[in-house]
Amino acid sequence: EVHLLESGGGLVQPGGSLRLSCAASGFSFANYAMSWVRQAPGGGLKWVSSIGGSGTATYYADSVKGRFTISRDNSKNTLYLQVNSLRAEDTALYYCAKHPYDTNRASFDYWGQGTLVTVSS
Amino acid sequence: EIVLTQSPGTLSLSPGERAILSCRASQSVITRYLAWYQQKPGQAPRLLIDGASSRATGIPDRFSGSGSGTDFTLTISRLEPEDFAVYYCQQYGRSPLAFGGGTKVEIK
Repeated sequence: EVHLLESGGGLVQPGGSLRLSCAASGFSFANYAMSWVRQAPGGGLKWVSSIGGSGTATYYADSVKGRFTISRDNSKNTLYLQVNSLRAEDTALYYCAKHPYDTNRASFDYWGQGTLVTVSS
Repeated sequence: EIVLTQSPGTLSLSPGERAILSCRASQSVITRYLAWYQQKPGQAPRLLIDGASSRATGIPDRFSGSGSGTDFTLTISRLEPEDFAVYYCQQYGRSPLAFGGGTKVEIK
């Protein structure tokens, strides 16, 4: 059974940083692209970033480019999102999501339960 | 960048009724690369439909997707109590990946 468990969220001041993690199990992690999707309180879903199975190919939404860095450790079956220079508008529940293939040009077939990032002074 | 517009914003229906949800894209979606998700309060989204019309594993056949180009539809043939939720469409044919704003299906 596929399982995705996010961690690392919390309350941070504007300009601060966090490292989000997503521990994956139940599938061959290195064979699939992974993404982060966020949802502001009461809002809709917004794609943040994706990474290919080998970790070489990475993609970012314009709103986070230069501030967020996606990476993965296939030996640990873990996905990461380093979030820097945080702004109030980055406040959201951050979901880790799996793609059904090794490409981010695909749907999201499994989702974690999310980790909450709150940016406030 | 493709923008997805979902309508209506809220759909008020009774159990047993048919629900028809619309997703309109600002540009043609490549090769019907469109998915639908269901999200219930406090839960993560769940994939319902992939490739515009293929039901995901375990999804009941009362859910169906159709459409191509810029106009897509999710139909729930007979609403069950557990179907009242928010539904999102998502396109993955062009970068950046994009979601629609969602349609809430509520009990009338």
